[in-house]
Amino acid sequence: KQEVTQIPAALSVPEGENLVLNCSFTDSAIYNLQWFRQDPGKGLTSLLLIQSSQREQTSGRLNASLDKSSGRSTLYIAASQPGDSATYLCAIKRTSGTYKYIFGTGTRLKVLA
Amino acid sequence: DAGVIQSPRHEVTEMGQEVTLRCKPISGHNSLFWYRQTMMRGLELLIYFNNNVPIDDSGMPEDRFSAKMPNASFSTLKIQPSEPRDSAVYFCASSFTSGASYEQYFGPGTRLTVT
Repeated sequence: KQEVTQIPAALSVPEGENLVLNCSFTDSAIYNLQWFRQDPGKGLTSLLLIQSSQREQTSGRLNASLDKSSGRSTLYIAASQPGDSATYLCAIKRTSGTYKYIFGTGTRLKVLA
Repeated sequence: DAGVIQSPRHEVTEMGQEVTLRCKPISGHNSLFWYRQTMMRGLELLIYFNNNVPIDDSGMPEDRFSAKMPNASFSTLKIQPSEPRDSAVYFCASSFTSGASYEQYFGPGTRLTVT
């Protein structure tokens, strides 16, 4: 059974710092991995999607990497800003037999001005 | 594109009442997902449809919950009768599963409070 873990559950950093959010999964047979952002009281916004054949994806100040062999993905945020404060969730789609995603519990990020 | 549309955005009801949540997926998407989010349990998948057909409803907590997708542009999640423990935010998401990415797009959610 695929389990997805995100540590730490919460993180506070000063503005301008580069930071890394972690996502671990137990089954390496994944199809893709998606990173989301959720602002308080809002829905989830897709940030990056990495296919299993890819090692990383970049969008602006965000860079997501994927290492299937170690069961790990990281979301790197460069030069963090207070507007980056939100909860970040990773989700994994297995290789076959289903269209559903398994979600981690998220990391709540606070960037201090 | 308008994105995934959910209604109502907020719902407050008394225990025992019927609640119906509505979702309009992104046009052209062929899969639709219903999730529930609480502080205690995080984001849980309740049910998902592919081409209007329910594929996996193993996350539906009880017989009090039911979901339908009568056509490609509309789905409902019904709770009858509602209980206080059903209080949560319910999200609908859609994706295009005939492509390569299966990327999911979420609606803004319906915040349900059962008193």
